[in-house]
Amino acid sequence: AQSVTQLDSQVPVFEEAPVELRCNYSSSVSVYLFWYVQYPNQGLQLLLKYLSGSTLVKGINGFEAEFNKSQTSFHLRKPSVHISDTAEYFCAVSEGNTGFQKLVFGTGTRLLVSP
Amino acid sequence: DAGVIQSPRHEVTEMGQEVTLRCKPISGHDYLFWYRQTMMRGLELLIYFNNNVPIDDSGMPEDRFSAKMPNASFSTLKIQPSEPRDSAVYFCASSAGGTSGATDTQYFGPGTRLTVL
Repeated sequence: AQSVTQLDSQVPVFEEAPVELRCNYSSSVSVYLFWYVQYPNQGLQLLLKYLSGSTLVKGINGFEAEFNKSQTSFHLRKPSVHISDTAEYFCAVSEGNTGFQKLVFGTGTRLLVSP
Repeated sequence: DAGVIQSPRHEVTEMGQEVTLRCKPISGHDYLFWYRQTMMRGLELLIYFNNNVPIDDSGMPEDRFSAKMPNASFSTLKIQPSEPRDSAVYFCASSAGGTSGATDTQYFGPGTRLTVL
């Protein structure tokens, strides 16, 4: 069964600095990978997804992620963060042998952007 | 589009009471998902439907939990009887599915915050 590890529970960063949020997954079959963002008291919103093709995926709000199959990673990056990026970020994986619709989420990383 | 609609947004009840959470998916979406979010366990998939039919309910914690989807525009998650450990935020999500399943994004509702005293 697939699993997702987000090692950093919280990442503090200053405004306009770059940031990387780490995500590693465990799976023995083909996977789809996702990053979602959750703002306070709101539902989750898709940032980006990797299904196939280019390993560098660009999403909304200037975020991008790179799929690395050999390291089973899907780290999220942004070259310059804004105060408004403060939120909880979730990495998720779905497997082909469970129908792809079934998402397994990591525990989340809280990004705290300060001035 | 109004997005996924959930009601109520907040629910406070006493242990032993029945709780019903409601969800209206985005029109035209044929997949509907129920998730639970807690500090201890994170975000867990409870059950999902395709064309109103339950496909996978392996995440439903126990018999006290039940979910129905009587039509394409409405689903309920019921807890009877409720217990304090059921306190969590419950999210509903929907997606258009498609021939490749997860190629379509899951859109989440704002959630229902349940507190069982």
